[in-house]
Parts: sequence; structure tokens; C-alpha cells
Amino acid sequence: DAGITQSPRHKVTETGTPVTLRCHQTENHRYMYWYRQDPGHGLRLIHYSYGVKDTDKGEVSDGYSVSRSKTEDFLLTLESATSSQTSVYFCAIMGGSRGSPGAYEQYFGPGTRLTVT
Amino acid sequence: GNSVTQMEGPVTLSEEAFLTINCTYTATGYPSLFWYVQYPGEGLQLLLKATKADDKGSNKGFEATYRKETTSFHLEKGSVQVSDSAVYFCALSPFSFGGSQGNLIFGKGTKLSVKP
Repeated sequence: DAGITQSPRHKVTETGTPVTLRCHQTENHRYMYWYRQDPGHGLRLIHYSYGVKDTDKGEVSDGYSVSRSKTEDFLLTLESATSSQTSVYFCAIMGGSRGSPGAYEQYFGPGTRLTVT
Repeated sequence: GNSVTQMEGPVTLSEEAFLTINCTYTATGYPSLFWYVQYPGEGLQLLLKATKADDKGSNKGFEATYRKETTSFHLEKGSVQVSDSAVYFCALSPFSFGGSQGNLIFGKGTKLSVKP
């Protein structure tokens, strides 16, 4: 158990409203990630963070912003939700195995199911 | 660029059958390779990994060998159980000198159903 929680777990919102999803970790990991999961696409990276106030874009970042004001929390905001953002959102942290950075394992939260009507 | 291609499902097997889920990748450098499993309604769990060519990852009866010559990382299990029913994702983590963002690149997933 990597100590990752996500809130809310389920949310229904209307088109045009802002939405913020929260990822919380308890083990002081430096790297955190937001992915979305859609049928036929697997998981795709939205944004990631490599430290407090250090974030960068992923493959599908349009329409999303993130913030990380403290190590344990990584927030994903949909500025103005659209139906195309209906998805399951997963937060992940990168574990700390030694060696090549590419060898680091990722551990995932339970996900947030977001529906935009 | 980096990408992962895995066989499309769904795959339906009888209990105790042999499982193979094919995964091939395209990557620059020397990626690490992973298999993740997602049970219904849950997040992804790391199943196994391999970090260099010819490495074999194994866990819970599942195995996969990192084949650089064929750019493959096929998942196998000799005898599946009903409890193995899940979606399986192949993924790679690119390695880049000067630092890595560490993100994973996923295949689209393969749904496995095992019937008693």
C-alpha cells in the first residue's frame, strides 16, 4: 500500500463548471502524476510534478491545470469541464527503487470517476 | 517516439488454460518494461517488471521476458484461475540522460476473462 488517496471518488458535474480533484500521499514521494483512463486508450499522462511547485505537462494537458503547494498533495483542476473530460482519473507516485530512473515503479491511487453532463 | 502495442481483447479462457498476452514496444534508449493489472473497480497494481534486456520479471505465477531483439515483453501464465480475470496493461518507462520525468507509457489494455 503506497498510501495514496484520491478525492472525491465519484463526481458528476455540469459542462462549464470548474472541478478540482485531489491526490494525497503519505510517504513523501517526490514525483506525482495524473493520468486519465479511457476505453481504447489505456492511460494517458495529463500532468506530473517533480517537487513542490514544480510541474510539467503530459500528453493530454489541454483543459487541465495542476498545483502542488506541499509534497503530499497534488491537485488537478479542470478549469471549465467539458463532456470530453468524462473519464476515470488516476493519481500515481513514483516509488524509490535505486538504479536507472526508468526502473522506478509507479503506484496508483484508487481513481476518481468524473462524469460531465 | 515511445509507444506500446498490446494484443486487443477480450481474451476468454477456461480455468487452468495457458495465457499469453502479447506486448511489443517502440522506444529510444533503454526503457524499463512493466505489466500492470487492474481488477474491476480498482486502480492499477504493478504485476511485474524488467529493467534490462533478457531480464525476466515474475510474480503470482505470471512471467514476462524483456526481449530487446524483438522489442517484446509478452505476459505468460501456465495455468490461469478465475481470480486472474482483470485488465492487463503493458507499459514502458523511457530512460533519458539528464533526468527522466519517469512517466509511464501504456498500451491500451487487454481484458482477460477466465471461466470456471
